Amino acid sequence: EAQVTQNPRYLITVTGKKLTVTCSQNMNHEYMSWYRQDPGLGLRQIYYSMNVEVTDKGDVPEGYKVSRKEKRNFPLILESPSPNQTSLYFCASSFKGLGQPQHFGDGTRLSIL
Amino acid sequence: EDQVTQSPEALRLQEGESSSLNCSYTVSGLRGLFWYRQDPGKGPEFLFTLYSAGEEKEKERLKATLTKKESFLHITAPKPEDSATYLCAVQAPNTGTASKLTFGTGTRLQVTL
Repeated sequence: EAQVTQNPRYLITVTGKKLTVTCSQNMNHEYMSWYRQDPGLGLRQIYYSMNVEVTDKGDVPEGYKVSRKEKRNFPLILESPSPNQTSLYFCASSFKGLGQPQHFGDGTRLSIL
Repeated sequence: EDQVTQSPEALRLQEGESSSLNCSYTVSGLRGLFWYRQDPGKGPEFLFTLYSAGEEKEKERLKATLTKKESFLHITAPKPEDSATYLCAVQAPNTGTASKLTFGTGTRLQVTL
C-alpha cells in the first residue's frame, strides 16, 4: 500500500530537548516536504526536498532542520524545541514537485512544554 | 503577497442538500489550484487539480470549478461520509523557477441525516 509514515504520532516533551520526527514514503517519490498546521493559519511549509541531498527552506524554517540522505526518508529535527513549535506536523511527498498531488502522512502532534 | 481565503469556515448540511464551498485567491501567475479533503486525525487527501479558468473536474458527488479569481467545490446530494474539512491550495511562482504552495484555512463540512 502506497503510504507516507510519520513517527511518532504524538509527543509531549520539554523546551530544549532535541527531538526528531521521522518520515518515510514507499512510492519512490522525489519530492518531500514538511508542513505545520495551526488553527486559523492553515498548512505552512517548513522545508522541502526536491531529491536526495537537495533541501530548501519553506515559509517557516526557523528552529527546524532536515536532511535527505535517502530517497525514502526525510526526518524533521528540532534541535532546541520551544513552546511556539507546539503544532500538528505533516510530512508529504509527490512524484516530482509541488505541481503534482501530494500524499500526506497522518500527522505528528507535538506539544513542547 | 499570495492569499487564499475559504468560505464559509463551517457548513452544516442535511443529507441530500446540495451546496458550494468557495476558495478565493490572490496570486500572480497561478500554476495550479488544488482541493484536498482532511478527516479528523488524518492528513489531507488529494481530490482535484485545476490549472486554468473554465476548467472543471468531477468525482462522485464533488465537482470543482475555476475562474480567474476563485474556485468552487460543489457538493451534490451530500451524504454523511462527505463530512470533513476541505482545503484549497494555490501554486504560484516563487523565486527563480521555484513555486510556492499557499493553503487556505479550510471549510469544515458536516452532513447530517
